[in-house]
Amino acid sequence: NAGVTQTPKFRVLKTGQSMTLLCAQDMNHEYMYWYRQDPGMGLRLIHYSVGEGTTAKGEVPDGYNVSRLKKQNFLLGLESAAPSQTSVYFCASSETPWEQYFGPGTRLTVT
Amino acid sequence: DQQVKQNSPSLSVQEGRISILNCDYTNSMFDYFLWYKKYPAEGPTFLISISSIKDKNEDGRFTVFLNKSAKHLSLHIVPSQPGDSAVYFCAASGTGTYKYIFGTGTRLKVLA
Repeated sequence: NAGVTQTPKFRVLKTGQSMTLLCAQDMNHEYMYWYRQDPGMGLRLIHYSVGEGTTAKGEVPDGYNVSRLKKQNFLLGLESAAPSQTSVYFCASSETPWEQYFGPGTRLTVT
Repeated sequence: DQQVKQNSPSLSVQEGRISILNCDYTNSMFDYFLWYKKYPAEGPTFLISISSIKDKNEDGRFTVFLNKSAKHLSLHIVPSQPGDSAVYFCAASGTGTYKYIFGTGTRLKVLA
C-alpha cells in the first residue's frame, strides 16, 4: 500500500497563476483533508470531505477550491495564486473522523 | 485566538529520561485529542489519542494524560530515545465535527 500520496512534491508559481494539487489514497478511507502549515503555526484545515462527492470548508478556505469526484482522490485548486499561499500543503485521509494518515506534503512557493 | 496552545517551542532531554510535552486548550467543547509526530520533510504520523471520558491512555512508551478541569493534556515518553527527536503536535476536536485544531508544535531533541 502506498498510503497517501501527493503530487507534485514541489512547485513554484508566479502570482496569478493557477494550479491543482492532487492527493490520492489507497486505503478506501471515507474522510479526506487538506491542511497548510506555515512557520510558527500548526496545521490549519483548508477543506475536507466526508465522502465521495462531498466537500466542506475548514478554517482557512479562502482562495482555494476542492473536488472529490472519486473516493480515492481529493484535489486542491488555487485559481489565482498569491504570495500568502506560499506554504507546505498536507493531505490526509482517515477511516473515522479521528486518526488521520498524512501524505508527505507539497512545498509551494508563490513569487 | 489560538484554541490549542503548545507553549514550549522546544525541549531537550537526555536519552533514557522522561520527555513531557504539554498542550493547553481553551474550548470546553473539545472532547477528542490526538498527538502526532513529525520528522523533517515528512507528513505527521499519528501517535496516540484520548477521549474526554478518560484521563489516561497508554501505548508502549507513550502515555497521554488529560486534565479536563485544567483544559490540559500532556504526552509522556519513557524512556526517551534519539529516534524520538521530532516535532510533536497536539490536536483537538469536538463531538460531531471533523475539524481538528492543531497546536503550533514542540520540537523535541533527545540527546544521546
